[in-house]
Amino acid sequence: DADVTQTPRNRITKTGKRIMLECSQTKGHDRMYWYRQDPGLGLRLIYYSFDVKDINKGEISDGYSVSRQAQAKFSLSLESAIPNQTALYFCATSDFGGSSNGYEQYFGPGTRLTVT
Amino acid sequence: EDKVVQSPLSLVVHEGDTVTLNCSYEVTNFRSLLWYKQEKKAPTFLFMLTSSGIEKKSGRLSSILDKKELFSILNITATQTGDSAIYLCAVEGGGKLTFGQGTILTVHP
Repeated sequence: DADVTQTPRNRITKTGKRIMLECSQTKGHDRMYWYRQDPGLGLRLIYYSFDVKDINKGEISDGYSVSRQAQAKFSLSLESAIPNQTALYFCATSDFGGSSNGYEQYFGPGTRLTVT
Repeated sequence: EDKVVQSPLSLVVHEGDTVTLNCSYEVTNFRSLLWYKQEKKAPTFLFMLTSSGIEKKSGRLSSILDKKELFSILNITATQTGDSAIYLCAVEGGGKLTFGQGTILTVHP
């Protein structure tokens, strides 16, 4: 079984709709992250959480919100989706991996979101 | 604002060629630099570098960090078609990663 799972894997929605992307992990990590990936722009951090009571904005948080329901679950919401939020979204987790891997991040399989 | 810049943005080579991918950064509270490979799925971890001048090696891939000049390179020797992917550089500071744009490598047979 995958350590980091994301649902749904693909979603098409209309402008103005509310949508939630979910992430679950079985790695027991405290830290969780949401990124979006657009062609030519690499991965950009949306929100991150270092534990259940800690939520932080990343570089592109406008238009998004998150909820850390438990150590293992971190959800990303688009309150009113717009076409420029069409992208590939990744959830990631991390914990200290020792001196060789530091805070290596482990990625989920991604959710491809299309907003029409 | 933290910044990571990769070059080239894309590269097309033939099997057997050697390639060098570049990553420069400006990051506060630098802890480490990581390289990831992304095929048609999630990024997978290649290397983490924390110290200048110490080469990390895995098979045909190797990487080195220069903390004085704030850059890293990823070398791939004797490239194969299976090396075709996006290579992502990321710098960790304060527990979060800042990614570069990625280099798209295409290896033709």
